Amino acid sequence: DAGITQSPRYKITETGRQVTLMCHQTWSHSYMFWYRQDLGHGLRLIYYSAAADITDKGEVPDGYVVSRSKTENFPLTLESATRSQTSVYFCASSVLGQGDEQYFGPGTRLTVT
Amino acid sequence: AQSVTQLDSQVPVFEEAPVELRCNYSSSVSVYLFWYVQYPNQGLQLLLKYLSGSTLVKGINGFEAEFNKSQTSFHLRKPSVHISDTAEYFCAVSDRNRGSTLGRLYFGRGTQLTVWP
Repeated sequence: DAGITQSPRYKITETGRQVTLMCHQTWSHSYMFWYRQDLGHGLRLIYYSAAADITDKGEVPDGYVVSRSKTENFPLTLESATRSQTSVYFCASSVLGQGDEQYFGPGTRLTVT
Repeated sequence: AQSVTQLDSQVPVFEEAPVELRCNYSSSVSVYLFWYVQYPNQGLQLLLKYLSGSTLVKGINGFEAEFNKSQTSFHLRKPSVHISDTAEYFCAVSDRNRGSTLGRLYFGRGTQLTVWP
């Protein structure tokens, strides 16, 4: 019963590098989400996906790219990392959509130096 | 769009004392309401939710919340806290005013509950 997993759990990268955060869920939930969590801002939605090959922007999409070729995977790519993207990133999934109960992964702590 | 306000960013309390974490939201349209808990170095997990029916909702670990439509509030309560309840708590609100589809989910900024021995 793996649920929803994220890798890596911790990542340090340099400004300008490309980095991909992985998210995998075993429930076959239709919806998947990427959030970032920063002190004083709570959780902010970056991108979400309603199904394979269907993605849409959230509140803070700039500098991020997503894809969803398979229902179970939803990778998040920072094409050229900036220090402002230092954050904790959470992946989540749900059955019915954003307004439904969401199941969260353990998070990836990303530091951009 | 909804605005979710958690009135206290930090709530310190002694073990076995009661606690209330406050949450207000902006719109009075029909909503779904959630409380999530985040333990240190973990993701969020659902504590309880209100979809319809009774305005008093019971969740895991002895927590409960009351939906008050007139005051647009969904405060979280526990009559006696334990040290293990130390965590960050997030209130979240979803619009459901778009026909049969579930709307967006809006999170508050969180309340850090610290329980002291």
